[in-house]
Amino acid sequence: DTGVSQNPRHKITKRGQNVTFRCDPISEHNRLYWYRQTLGQGPEFLTYFQNEAQLEKSRLLSDRFSAERPKGSFSTLEIQRTEQGDSAMYLCASTGSGTEAFFGQGTRLTVV
Amino acid sequence: SQQGEEDPQALSIQEGENATMNCSYKTSINNLQWYRQNSGRGLVHLILIRSNEREKHSGRLRVTLDTSKKSSSLLITASRAADTASYFCATPFTGGGNKLTFGTGTQLKVEL
Repeated sequence: DTGVSQNPRHKITKRGQNVTFRCDPISEHNRLYWYRQTLGQGPEFLTYFQNEAQLEKSRLLSDRFSAERPKGSFSTLEIQRTEQGDSAMYLCASTGSGTEAFFGQGTRLTVV
Repeated sequence: SQQGEEDPQALSIQEGENATMNCSYKTSINNLQWYRQNSGRGLVHLILIRSNEREKHSGRLRVTLDTSKKSSSLLITASRAADTASYFCATPFTGGGNKLTFGTGTQLKVEL
């Protein structure tokens, strides 16, 4: 198993464009989480899935953000009409039966 | 918002010295976790301590937890240049789901 994989690693987009990120969790993990991290801060929880069900969304997740995990495997996070304030590192993590979270390398988004 | 605060925000030491980082949190917890993040990368789980434990060791890491003071410390002994990274404490949100809330992090620099 290669761990949690995120693509792309970097994304530069113009303000107003839509972007989509992908996360492939560890295959046997049923929980998948998205976090956002801005410079100098710790990660902040955005949303999580148990299998294909999205169980919780943070208030940080505005209407422009949507996440899916269609078959309970990989997940996508889409941001519509990007704003400069969306510039951040987007981190995906997965957990199995334990509490330890396994993180991907993140997708760094820059909105210009 | 961040649950915890790490102290100090930045720490610079010489190789071979010990590094101590502190974390304070706000709400009752059932466990506390420490993660390491190398520059621009994902987070790696280091150690978990449960609320009924006072101290835990893993290799060169020693973690303490004082639930009465809502604080934890991470000690790295005999530090190496490869320990240079940001260190975050994380606690689960109330309500389950293993969602984590992170502190603001300590940036550790270990110089040769």
